[in-house]
Amino acid sequence: GDSVTQTEGLVTLTEGLPVMLNCTYQTIYSNPFLFWYVQHLNESPRLLLKSFTDNKRTEHQGFHATLHKSSSSFHLQKSSAQLSDSALYYCALSPTGGLSGKLTFGEGTQVTVIS
Amino acid sequence: EAAVTQSPRNKVTVTGGNVTLSCRQTNSHNYMYWYRQDTGHGLRLIHYSYGAGNLQIGDVPDGYKATRTTQEDFFLLLELASPSQTSLYFCASSDAVRDWGGEDTQYFGPGTRLLVL
Repeated sequence: GDSVTQTEGLVTLTEGLPVMLNCTYQTIYSNPFLFWYVQHLNESPRLLLKSFTDNKRTEHQGFHATLHKSSSSFHLQKSSAQLSDSALYYCALSPTGGLSGKLTFGEGTQVTVIS
Repeated sequence: EAAVTQSPRNKVTVTGGNVTLSCRQTNSHNYMYWYRQDTGHGLRLIHYSYGAGNLQIGDVPDGYKATRTTQEDFFLLLELASPSQTSLYFCASSDAVRDWGGEDTQYFGPGTRLLVL
């Protein structure tokens, strides 16, 4: 079945240093949609960015990610971490681009940014 | 942005108790979802629905029932609550169209924290 793997469960970063969160996925479908959701403490998850175009960089709020179908990856990056980036980050997969209405979420990466 | 509300926000019950969690969305989205969130497991899909009267089984359905009474309202029922169901429950909605696709970004409610003693 479909799956999403986020290899880092916990990440601690120093403010000002770059951020990279890994996300790989598995699906038999050739045109998946990939998402990053962010959840701050005591809040609900909200969309950070999404993509369905192979090899095209998508950016939002200083974060960026590129869907690489050849490696089934959608890593999240930011050039300089801020204290406010401390949150739980989920990578999610829509294998059929909304046809099934269902997302598969990874287990999440908890990011803590320290000064 | 889509508006999704949940009630109650906090609930305490005892083992064997009967619990109903409510969710309402006011953006006429087709799909609605119930998730549970637990440390180490992330978000896990319990049930979902693509319209009034419809129910789809999610990935962790055991011990849960759900009912979609209208386009706006989706309920999660725990008829014999157990301590393993202590969790944070999120409802979400999306405007995906069944068998067609479309805008499948999911919008989450504020969550209901359930404690089963």
